[in-house]
Amino acid sequence: DGGITQSPKYLFRKEGQNVTLSCEQNLNHDAMYWYRQDPGQGLRLIYYSQIVNDFQKGDIAEGYSVSREKKESFPLTVTSAQKNPTAFYLCASSIMDSAGYTFGSGTRLTVV
Amino acid sequence: GENVEQHPSTLSVQEGDSAVIKCTYSDSASNYFPWYKQELGKGPQLIIDIRSNVGEKKDQRIAVTLNKTAKHFSLHITETQPEDSAVYFCAASTGGGADGLTFGKGTHLIIQP
Repeated sequence: DGGITQSPKYLFRKEGQNVTLSCEQNLNHDAMYWYRQDPGQGLRLIYYSQIVNDFQKGDIAEGYSVSREKKESFPLTVTSAQKNPTAFYLCASSIMDSAGYTFGSGTRLTVV
Repeated sequence: GENVEQHPSTLSVQEGDSAVIKCTYSDSASNYFPWYKQELGKGPQLIIDIRSNVGEKKDQRIAVTLNKTAKHFSLHITETQPEDSAVYFCAASTGGGADGLTFGKGTHLIIQP
């Protein structure tokens, strides 16, 4: 079955450490996205990529970094510069000319 | 940038009744308006979407209406069922979605038996 996989489902890290969240899709989608979700808030765009080796900052990119070396993969690194990293992180993908997003099941990151 | 407001934040309806969730957007250039349903601990799932050249779209018990002049769009769910209980998000985009969606803060829909 085609889909988008995020791992791990839960992640705990100590304050000051960088952490990388995985996102893999086998839908052959061109575009991939990272969103952050906080309780009572909508989804806020962190980064997106429309093509391999290219990506754009979203509304809340500070303290995050991404790479897009393969079409299937779009990992997100939460750096120590992110002041409030505890959140639910969602990855999504879409075909460029069709905006229907397919979301992964998310990674819940807790920084202690 | 785009700003999307969503109301109400919580909506409780009796099973079988209709539910309506409303959103407004700020950027008149927005041309794509999807609605997502999110169940606890899962990622959002697209349930219906509408583009700016259409005023209404229906899919079984779900419909979306768009008023471009007033810059608002609404989700209508008829004959609600227990499995409709979830958080619903509206979103808007100026680029058809390819350059990211701006989401509302969500509506927690509760279906009372």
